[in-house]
Amino acid sequence: QVQLVQSGAEVKKPGASVKVSCKAYGYTFTGQYMHWVRQAPGQGLEWMGWINPSSGGTNYAQNFQGRVTLTRDTSISTAYMELSSLRSDDTAIYYCARPLYDSSGFEYFQHWGQGTLVTVSS
Amino acid sequence: SYVLTQPPSVSAAPGQTARIPCGGNNIRSKSVHWYQHTPGQAPILVIYDDSDRPSGIPERFSGSNSGNTATLTISRVEAGDEADYYCQVWDTTNDHPVFGGGTKLTVL
Repeated sequence: QVQLVQSGAEVKKPGASVKVSCKAYGYTFTGQYMHWVRQAPGQGLEWMGWINPSSGGTNYAQNFQGRVTLTRDTSISTAYMELSSLRSDDTAIYYCARPLYDSSGFEYFQHWGQGTLVTVSS
Repeated sequence: SYVLTQPPSVSAAPGQTARIPCGGNNIRSKSVHWYQHTPGQAPILVIYDDSDRPSGIPERFSGSNSGNTATLTISRVEAGDEADYYCQVWDTTNDHPVFGGGTKLTVL
């Protein structure tokens, strides 16, 4: 069955970068985009961006433009999210999510990674 | 960017019905999806395409979409339903998903 397995928790200092991985099982990795969503403490779900694993094309949320980079390694069915210039308010749980397609052909999310806690603290 | 508006909180007693609205401009023209999220867990899809239930989701969960408001309805509320609920649509202008701000369901 479909499974997304993320890397473990990270603790980083302000100004550093973090790279979170998401390994996909149970489906053709290049068949659907991979999205990244985060939830900061006391906040809602916030979409960060998507990557097309087939082409490497990306689309980033405006809030993260210039700080987030999504990449993939198709040989090991793994997507990566790198966030740079970390601040304390980047402390959050980061999720990868594999989309399905609704009746209009647009995406929603049935499969999620287990989440990766990133703590930014001096 | 398309904006979805949810009330911060909704409450219901066990056995009663909880209704969680999600407002958006002409949202009826979009497919709305709903997620249940509890702390420390990955979000769970409970409704897709306005009113369809994934396998394994109880029939107590239902959805509707009309005018400028979509609604998630949870009948016969149970203590285990206490969670945050998020609506989501696709922003066709910017080609990305949009989430509502989330509603915390408290079971009294």
